[in-house]
Amino acid sequence: EVQLLESGGGLVQPGGSLRVSCSASGFTFSNYAMNWVRQAPGKGLEWVSSISGSGGTTYYADSVKGRFTISRDNSKNTLYLQMNSLRAEDTAVYYCAKNIGQAVIEYFQHWGQGTLVTVSS
Amino acid sequence: QLMLTQSPSASASLGASVKLTCTLSSGHRNYAIAWHQQQPEKGPRYLMKVNSDGSHSKGDGIPDRFSGSSSGAERYVTISSLQSEDEADYYCQTWGNGIVVFGGGTKLTVL
Repeated sequence: EVQLLESGGGLVQPGGSLRVSCSASGFTFSNYAMNWVRQAPGKGLEWVSSISGSGGTTYYADSVKGRFTISRDNSKNTLYLQMNSLRAEDTAVYYCAKNIGQAVIEYFQHWGQGTLVTVSS
Repeated sequence: QLMLTQSPSASASLGASVKLTCTLSSGHRNYAIAWHQQQPEKGPRYLMKVNSDGSHSKGDGIPDRFSGSSSGAERYVTISSLQSEDEADYYCQTWGNGIVVFGGGTKLTVL
């Protein structure tokens, strides 16, 4: 059974940094592209970033480009999102999602339960 | 620009059927989309991929009550024999040219 478990969320001040993680199990992690998607309180889903199975190819939404960095450690079956220069509008639940296959930009087959990031002073 | 449009809300009675619509932006009518369901206070769940020819492939464990179809730039998910647990937000997703796009979501109320 595929499981995706996010962690690392919390309260951070504007301008601060935070790293969230996603621990994966139930599949061969390195064979699949992975993603981060966020959902602001009471709002819809917003794609944040995607990464290839090897970690060599990444894509970002314009709203986070230059501030956020997606990465993965295939030896630990873990996906990361390093968030710098955080703003109030980055406040959201951050979901980890697994692609249907190896293509970096495609649709999502499995989702985690999310971790809440709150940016506030 | 690749975009998806969904009606904000829909409602139908318990046991009835409902068809939710997701519309692709101009110039992208041949794109496939995926449907995801998000029940209250839960993470999203993948329902199915719907291709431009109307063929669809469902996720593991998705009941036969859920089906997909297409017409032009519109992609649909039909839920028959509505149950209380179908009350949820439904999002469509598409992808291409280095981006992933979600529709704004449709909140389905089961009366």
